[in-house]
Amino acid sequence: AQSVTQLGSHVSVSEGALVLLRCNYSSSVPPYLFWYVQYPNQGLQLLLKYTSAATLVKGINGFEAEFKKSETSFHLTKPSAHMSDAAEYFCAVSGSLYGNKLVFGAGTILRVKS
Amino acid sequence: GAVVSQHPSRVICKSGTSVKIECRSLDFQATTMFWYRQFPKQSLMLMATSNEGSKATYEQGVEKDKFLINHASLTLSTLTVASAHPEDSSFYICSALAGGGEYNEQFFGPGTRLTVL
Repeated sequence: AQSVTQLGSHVSVSEGALVLLRCNYSSSVPPYLFWYVQYPNQGLQLLLKYTSAATLVKGINGFEAEFKKSETSFHLTKPSAHMSDAAEYFCAVSGSLYGNKLVFGAGTILRVKS
Repeated sequence: GAVVSQHPSRVICKSGTSVKIECRSLDFQATTMFWYRQFPKQSLMLMATSNEGSKATYEQGVEKDKFLINHASLTLSTLTVASAHPEDSSFYICSALAGGGEYNEQFFGPGTRLTVL
């Protein structure tokens, strides 16, 4: 069963527009949730994480994500896209149900148009 | 934040050659490190969990004799691709578990691009 689903393998937005990257998880127990960004030929950089504290999590570079248990979602948003946001974004889940390993979604490539 | 390095960043080798990739936690100790493999336009696939002072735990389908992992110290894990072949060409990324691991936050290295000719 898919643990993490990222809807949309590619998302394209105009510079200055809202960024919305979707992530849904499948777990009966609220897991730990993460968003990572990957630039070409580089490793992963943590944007933000949910660890059962505040449901609205603010991360770096103006990104934030809201944990919604009723929707089993953890969508990533940014009010205004910048050209430098163009990259691939991965949602990941961890916790005891996953053997304390990180399970990644398939990734979403964000393209920002000028 | 915690920094993880990988060496080399890129390696090109002939088929049949063994290749060693190093993963180091630079400013923290990591009893657990992870090795991932990423094919072009795909997500990260966990290969194995490396535990300091003990044998690595491999994911299903990953050949232990092909991908040799050694975690000899709290700051260093190595992945050796034995007798590499073209199908082993990939982007290999390591990560290290920081702190008490309560949140299972992993810090990732910059990756190693392996090309086997």
